[in-house]
Amino acid sequence: NAGVTQTPKFQVLKTGQSMTLQCAQDMNHNSMYWYRQDPGMGLRLIYYSASEGTTDKGEVPNGYNVSRLNKREFSLRLESAAPSQTSVYFCASTEGTGGQPQHFGDGTRLSIL
Amino acid sequence: AQTVTQSQPEMSVQEAETVTLSCTYDTSESDYYLFWYKQPPSRQMILVIRQEAYKQQNATENRFSVNFQKAAKSFSLKISDSQLGDAAMYFCAYRRGLYNFNKFYFGSGTKLNVKP
Repeated sequence: NAGVTQTPKFQVLKTGQSMTLQCAQDMNHNSMYWYRQDPGMGLRLIYYSASEGTTDKGEVPNGYNVSRLNKREFSLRLESAAPSQTSVYFCASTEGTGGQPQHFGDGTRLSIL
Repeated sequence: AQTVTQSQPEMSVQEAETVTLSCTYDTSESDYYLFWYKQPPSRQMILVIRQEAYKQQNATENRFSVNFQKAAKSFSLKISDSQLGDAAMYFCAYRRGLYNFNKFYFGSGTKLNVKP
C-alpha cells in the first residue's frame, strides 16, 4: 500500500547507544517531517525537509540529526541516546514544499533505559 | 508564544449521537490555520479538517464540522452521527501561515470513546 513506512516499529536502547530511524514514502512527496509524541503532549516537530537536499530544525532538534537521502527517504539519528528521548516517533510527508503534513507513518516506539 | 489547549483529556459519546471536542489557542497573528487530526489505535495520524483564519465560514467535511470563533480563539470539532470508527485520539493543531513549518503546534489531544 502507498504511504509512509517507518522502521523499526519498536526499539529498546541503552543510554549512550546510537541508532537511526528510517522513513520512506512512495508518493513522490517533496516535504518530509519527523515528530515525537510524548504522553499528555501533542506532536512536536524535531526536523523537517522541504525538498530533497534541504533540512531544517523544528521545535525540539537537540540530540538528533537527520538526512534526506533522496526524495523518498528521510532518516532520523540519535547519536547518544538519553532517557529523555524515550518517545513515539512519527515520520510524515506532504506533496508540496510547504503546508501541513498529511500522511503519517505508523510510528516507532523507542525506549531508552 | 503560540499554544494550543485541549481541556478535555477524554470524552465519551453514544453511537449515532453528536459530540463536540473543544480547542482554544493563543496567538497574536492574523494569518493562521487550524486543523483537527485523528489518531486511531493504529497510531496513524489522519487529517480530518482544516480552517483558514481569514474565512468566516466554518469548515465542514461530511459528519465533521468546526465552530470557529476567532475573537474567542476557539476552534471546536463537532462529530455528528458518531460511529464506532470515530473512536480515536483527536488533536487540534495551529499553524502560522501556510508554509511556516516551525510554527505548527499541536494540543495534547482528546481521547474519544464511542459506546455501542
